[in-house]
Amino acid sequence: GENVEQHPSTLSVQEGDSAVIKCTYSDSASNYFPWYKQELGKGPQLIIDIRSNVGEKKDQRIAVTLNKTAKHFSLHITETQPEDSAVYFCAASKGTGFQKLVFGTGTRLLVSP
Amino acid sequence: DAGVIQSPRHEVTEMGQEVTLRCKPISGHNSLFWYRQTMMRGLELLIYFNNNVPIDDSGMPEDRFSAKMPNASFSTLKIQPSEPRDSAVYFCASSSGLAGPYEQYFGPGTRLTVT
Repeated sequence: GENVEQHPSTLSVQEGDSAVIKCTYSDSASNYFPWYKQELGKGPQLIIDIRSNVGEKKDQRIAVTLNKTAKHFSLHITETQPEDSAVYFCAASKGTGFQKLVFGTGTRLLVSP
Repeated sequence: DAGVIQSPRHEVTEMGQEVTLRCKPISGHNSLFWYRQTMMRGLELLIYFNNNVPIDDSGMPEDRFSAKMPNASFSTLKIQPSEPRDSAVYFCASSSGLAGPYEQYFGPGTRLTVT
């Protein structure tokens, strides 16, 4: 089955710096890659997603890139702010029917003022 | 606009007791997911319903776990008997479609502690 690896497990940056989180997946049939943000005491919340027919997607300070050949995708956060501090999860799924998400192990991002 | 609602938010119980977790999905959503989150195993999908019918329960760890969805607005996850290793945060999520990947909206979770 699908296996998703995520790095780093923790990331500390200064406010205003950029942060990059990387994930690799094993199943070349995977075609949907969402990123979720989980704040303390809350459920994960989708922040951006990308499908396999696109190489990059941006939404304000957040961008995701996908390299299908290498089977990896990355989350880029620019101009980080303290409120970006949270745990970020990548995930992968395949098919056009039931979208079973396989999650990475999470990255704890700390943005210091 | 209410999101996914879960109850209780916290549950502390003794080993051997029955535990029932409840979920109300977002109105109009026809897919419902139960996840378990632990430090050791991360986020794991336990079971998935579509139009109130269980589609994939391959993630349910043991026969002690059971889930039902009697109607479109309510689902339960039951553990009987509970064990200390069941301690985790259990999330319910819902989404609006089966055909193709759709955003899953997560509830706030139920933190279960089994002593």
